[in-house]
Amino acid sequence: QKEVEQDPGPLSVPEGAIVSLNCTYSNSAFQYFMWYRQYSRKGPELLMYTYSSGNKEDGRFTAQVDKSSKYISLFIRDSQPSDSATYLCAMAGDMRFGAGTRLTVKP
Amino acid sequence: GAVVSQHPSRVICKSGTSVKIECRSLDFQATTMFWYRQFPKQSLMLMATSNEGSKATYEQGVEKDKFLINHASLTLSTLTVTSAHPEDSSFYICSAREVEAFFGQGTRLTVV
Repeated sequence: QKEVEQDPGPLSVPEGAIVSLNCTYSNSAFQYFMWYRQYSRKGPELLMYTYSSGNKEDGRFTAQVDKSSKYISLFIRDSQPSDSATYLCAMAGDMRFGAGTRLTVKP
Repeated sequence: GAVVSQHPSRVICKSGTSVKIECRSLDFQATTMFWYRQFPKQSLMLMATSNEGSKATYEQGVEKDKFLINHASLTLSTLTVTSAHPEDSSFYICSAREVEAFFGQGTRLTVV
């Protein structure tokens, strides 16, 4: 079993939709969780950094952590075409990534 | 967010030569730096983790004699691809961490 599992998609939604991106992890020792956004041929950009279970909100983005289920989510409200990118989850500590989910927001 | 500078952004080299890629944290001290390789439409593959002043820890299957990593200071790490071959052509990305991890913009290496 991989340490971080993420559905690679692709995921296509209309502009304005709510997007839900998810990852599961196997190592309960993970304490910090991060979401990155990567545009084609660019380095990943840190979107959200969370520690505890629960929700963390930043503008249109909400990160959710459920440590009991080893499940993390990223929600994007009012999605925009500029949100089209690959979204990657990572567990701090060893900085291994999930497969990344390719998101396309259609105008 | 913090800035991580990676150079060069693109490099083309001849087969058999060596290429050095630099990764600098510009406004914070990075106790740990990570090097990744990424193939088209695939996720980031962790190659090695380096802590300042220590030898890098390489992931299984990554040749440490081919991919030389130096982390001599808290703001600089280098990856040298030695005796490069066409199969080493890829997108290489570094990440620097003090608390959160920030990424450089990547280096596209083409070996001809």
